[in-house]
Amino acid sequence: LAKTTQPISMDSYEGQEVNITCSHNNIATNDYITWYQQFPSQGPRFIIQGYKTKVTNEVASLFIPADRKSSTLSLPRVSLSDTAVYYCLVGDRVSGGYNKLIFGAGTRLAVHP
Amino acid sequence: DTAVSQTPKYLVTQMGNDKSIKCEQNLGHDTMYWYKQDSKKFLKIMFSYNNKELIINETVPNRFSPKSPDKAHLNLHINSLELGDSAVYFCASSQRDNANTGELFFGEGSRLTVL
Repeated sequence: LAKTTQPISMDSYEGQEVNITCSHNNIATNDYITWYQQFPSQGPRFIIQGYKTKVTNEVASLFIPADRKSSTLSLPRVSLSDTAVYYCLVGDRVSGGYNKLIFGAGTRLAVHP
Repeated sequence: DTAVSQTPKYLVTQMGNDKSIKCEQNLGHDTMYWYKQDSKKFLKIMFSYNNKELIINETVPNRFSPKSPDKAHLNLHINSLELGDSAVYFCASSQRDNANTGELFFGEGSRLTVL
């Protein structure tokens, strides 16, 4: 399974856009890129998933360059409630690799007033 | 309605005891998992079941025994508890097919403290 690398922590202020980049140099052809969010004392929650180019939903955008060796999660206009740990994962979502998703240390985002 | 529910939420026990954590999902998913999150916040997969069949066992000590009576339930039994078993245990479920993202739905976790 492809290993991911992301910053350990980031700080931001309310109303700013936050971009968290993840590198996955060994991503396989069938792998999808997925981001999860975890608040203290809660289980991780799915944010967004993509394969290539750009994906946007009501929560975030995911930018994936053509070589797919990295991806960037973009959170528009963060608020205090976006303070959480964000995990980047890659895996084949159907054939079995997805069942062994490995969560790294994640990126601790702290949003300040 | 809670999609993935675990009980108990907190568990404090002595070394050497045997304990169980129960998990139920009402999402109709065919795959369920147990993850362990240690003090450094790393989430590691322990087991995965698909339609009651064990498909992943990630080098977990055999003191840990998962049991899936049906595809909506996956319980975790731990024998002879050790200090290093202290962690938060998360249950999750997903639907594996091309129509879905494979998104994992997690429970709120069960914090186990071994004294």
